[in-house]
Amino acid sequence: GAGVSQTPSNKVTEKGKYVELRCDPISGHTALYWYRQSLGQGPEFLIYFQGTGAADDSGLPNDRFFAVRPEGSVSTLKIQRTERGDSAVYLCASSLWGYNSPLHFGNGTRLTVT
Amino acid sequence: AQSVTQLDSQVPVFEEAPVELRCNYSSSVSVYLFWYVQYPNQGLQLLLKYLSGSTLVKGINGFEAEFNKSQTSFHLRKPSVHISDTAEYFCAVSDWGAQKLVFGQGTRLTINP
Repeated sequence: GAGVSQTPSNKVTEKGKYVELRCDPISGHTALYWYRQSLGQGPEFLIYFQGTGAADDSGLPNDRFFAVRPEGSVSTLKIQRTERGDSAVYLCASSLWGYNSPLHFGNGTRLTVT
Repeated sequence: AQSVTQLDSQVPVFEEAPVELRCNYSSSVSVYLFWYVQYPNQGLQLLLKYLSGSTLVKGINGFEAEFNKSQTSFHLRKPSVHISDTAEYFCAVSDWGAQKLVFGQGTRLTINP
């Protein structure tokens, strides 16, 4: 079946611009996660949703970052006034609800801020 | 706060040799432990997980890991590697009842013929 889909796969933007990154989770997965992976590092937690609500947004680095999941399926990560330090691969994952349900990751969106 | 340390950033081994990728964690509470693998140009996928019970956990592709609570370790092993095992391996931890994972920095496993 279809896995987690992330679009675009690559995004180049200028410093100061606004970007949106999209994630389509696996159908039926109620939990959705966003992670950020910088070069040479492991994924770093940003936010996760249970259904439509953000259950934990403690990883969002500052108020320039915001994510929504209005219908409990597709999610959009929004970054305002991008900075060069925001350059990274943004990973989305989804899972069934439950602490022992494995996360299924997408291939990520590589964001480059010039 | 939780943290995960993967002691080796790169591990080169010859094909058919055994391999161990080391992982240590710190947490003030009981944890779940995971290993994820990222093959070139692919997304992360679950290799194996420890939730409770037997401390020796078997995963896909012949990998296994052993949870050692006293040493706060969860090392990954394979008795004989193949070229196809070339990938980046990530150890991760989550608190009991928590949903978010904390990942280590990753270990790049390179298999030489």
